[in-house]
Amino acid sequence: GESVGLHLPTLSVQEGDNSIINCAYSNSASDYFIWYKQESGKGPQFIIDIRSNMDKRQGQRVTVLLNKTVKHLSLQIAATQPGDSAVYFCAEIISGTYKYIFGTGTRLKVLA
Amino acid sequence: KAGVTQTPRYLIKTRGQQVTLSCSPISGHRSVSWYQQTPGQGLQFLFEYFSETQRNKGNFPGRFSGRQFSNSRSEMNVSTLELGDSALYLCASSPRTGNTIYFGEGSWLTVV
Repeated sequence: GESVGLHLPTLSVQEGDNSIINCAYSNSASDYFIWYKQESGKGPQFIIDIRSNMDKRQGQRVTVLLNKTVKHLSLQIAATQPGDSAVYFCAEIISGTYKYIFGTGTRLKVLA
Repeated sequence: KAGVTQTPRYLIKTRGQQVTLSCSPISGHRSVSWYQQTPGQGLQFLFEYFSETQRNKGNFPGRFSGRQFSNSRSEMNVSTLELGDSALYLCASSPRTGNTIYFGEGSWLTVV
């Protein structure tokens, strides 16, 4: 079936370093993308989104980059903190379908 | 604003039984969607409701059903439970279809 894939299932990063989590999406008709963070035992939490008419969007310590040419999405977390340890999902929404397609998730481990 | 509320949070059922899960969306949100999350399959879309109408449906058997009430609250039902139905069931709401969705904490279902 359709899917949004992630290149790295687990990413270990030293505290204070920057983290980059990647995502490849499958449908060129997708026009809206979201990153979610899911901590253990909790539901996914919205982090940041980006529409297809943009290639970069910044939030607090997070930046999302969108490369439509290669259908690639990335989440950059600056100065990674222990509280950033979680599973991160990207999601794509295909224009006109209103259906979210989630990737399998990347686990981010922050090392002290 | 209160977030998405799901009940019950944890439940254990026996094979062959049925279960009903409840979701109260964020106030003012009219779209409610349901997802199944398992370690092996990740987040899988079940269905989405808007104004009491099912707008989208994922690839799940007919044992999985849902409904939405006039106050936007939603329920999902799984009949004739199977061991493989053990999962975290997540509800998400948004102001309208296609917008950013916000998740609840989920209902953990264990089928024994």
